[in-house]
Amino acid sequence: EVQLVESGGGLVKPGGSLRLSCAASGFTFSSYSMNWVRQAPGKGLEWVSSITSSSNYIYYAESVKGRFTISRDNAKNSLYLQMNSLRAEDTAVYYCARGAAVAQFDYWGQGTLVTVSS
Amino acid sequence: QSVLTQPPSVSAAPGQKVTISCSGSSSNIGNNYVSWYQQLPGTAPKLLIYDNIKRPSGIPDRFSGSKSGTSATLGITGLQTGDEADYYCGTWDSSLSAYVFGTGTKVTVL
Repeated sequence: EVQLVESGGGLVKPGGSLRLSCAASGFTFSSYSMNWVRQAPGKGLEWVSSITSSSNYIYYAESVKGRFTISRDNAKNSLYLQMNSLRAEDTAVYYCARGAAVAQFDYWGQGTLVTVSS
Repeated sequence: QSVLTQPPSVSAAPGQKVTISCSGSSSNIGNNYVSWYQQLPGTAPKLLIYDNIKRPSGIPDRFSGSKSGTSATLGITGLQTGDEADYYCGTWDSSLSAYVFGTGTKVTVL
């Protein structure tokens, strides 16, 4: 059974940093691209970042470019999102999602809440 | 603001049919596959349709997808109370080099 479990969310002050993790199991992690998607309270889905299976290609939304860094450790079946210079508008539930293909997120984690507030 | 436009809400009685449109452009829907996601209240999104028309295993055939030009459509027939959720389209945008989601549509069963 495919499982994605996010962790690392919490309350952080504006300008602060946080590192999210996503532990994957039930599939060959190193064969899939992975993604982060967020959802602000009461709002729609917003794609954040994607990383290919071997980390050869990485993409970011304009809203987080230069502040967030996506990475993965295939030996540990884990995906990460380093978030720096956090802003109030980064407050959201952050989901990790497996990328079965370019336009297809086939499995999602339960999400971890990040709150940026003073 | 999203580059994919969906109606904010649609509604119908149990057993009826609803359709949800997703309007984009040649850089996204026009030249890439579209997926649809269902998000039940308080839960993570779930893949409903991929490659414009395909259903993952376990998704009933009451759900269907189609694409024409720069627009895509999700159809739900035999509407059930359990279908009340938010629905999002999504695809890759080749110009932005970014994945884009639609604005989302809330389905209400009357």
